[in-house]
Amino acid sequence: DVKVTQSSRYLVKRTGEKVFLECVQDMDHENMFWYRQDPGLGLRLIYFSYDVKMKEKGDIPEGYSVSREKKERFSLILESASTNQTSMYLCASKTGTGGGNTEAFFGQGTRLTVV
Amino acid sequence: AQTVTQSQPEMSVQEAETVTLSCTYDTSESNYYLFWYKQPPSRQMILVIRQEAYKQQNATENRFSVNFQKAAKSFSLKISDSQLGDTAMYFCAFMKPTNDYKLSFGAGTTVTVRA
Repeated sequence: DVKVTQSSRYLVKRTGEKVFLECVQDMDHENMFWYRQDPGLGLRLIYFSYDVKMKEKGDIPEGYSVSREKKERFSLILESASTNQTSMYLCASKTGTGGGNTEAFFGQGTRLTVV
Repeated sequence: AQTVTQSQPEMSVQEAETVTLSCTYDTSESNYYLFWYKQPPSRQMILVIRQEAYKQQNATENRFSVNFQKAAKSFSLKISDSQLGDTAMYFCAFMKPTNDYKLSFGAGTTVTVRA
C-alpha cells in the first residue's frame, strides 16, 4: 500500500516561529510537491522537487523554503510564520515515469494555524 | 500556472441520482492531462478519473464518467447512482506533459449526497 505521510495533522504555531512541515514517501518517487489549500482557491503549488537536493519554485513560494536531503523526505519550512500562512498544507509524490498516466499520491494534509 | 475554473462551489444530490460537475481550463498546449480528484472529510485526496487530451474517447471509471470537449476546453464529471460515500470536495486538475508533473487545480466543488 503506497503511502505519503505528513508528520502532523494539526499544528498551532506562534507568529514569527520557524515551522517545519515534514513529508515522507515510501514509493521511491523522484518527484515531490508541496501544495497549499485554501477555501475558494483550491490547491496552489508552493515548491516541488524532482531529485535529491533539487528544488523549483511553484506559484506561491514567497515566505517558504524547502529541503530535500534524502529521496524519501521533502520538508517545507516557514522561516518566520505569519497569520496569512494559516492554511492546509498537502504533500504529494509522483514517479518520474509515465507522464500523466501515473498517479500523484497525496498525504493527509497538515492544518496549520498561526496565532 | 494554467487556469482551471470550477464554477459550482456547492452541489447537492439525492442518493441514487446523477450529478454533473463542470470544469473549464485555459491552455495553448495541444496535449495535456486532465484529472478529477476527490477529497472526502478524511482529507485524503483520491484520484477519481483521468483523461489524456489526445484520446478522443471519454474516460469512465465505474459510476464516474467525463465529458471531454477539447475545442471548448471543458471537462465535466458525471457521478451516476450517487452514494453517500460520494460526499466530498471534488477538484478538477490540469497537467502539462512536461517532466515537472505539476498539477494546476480548480477551486473545488463540494458535493453533498442526501439520503
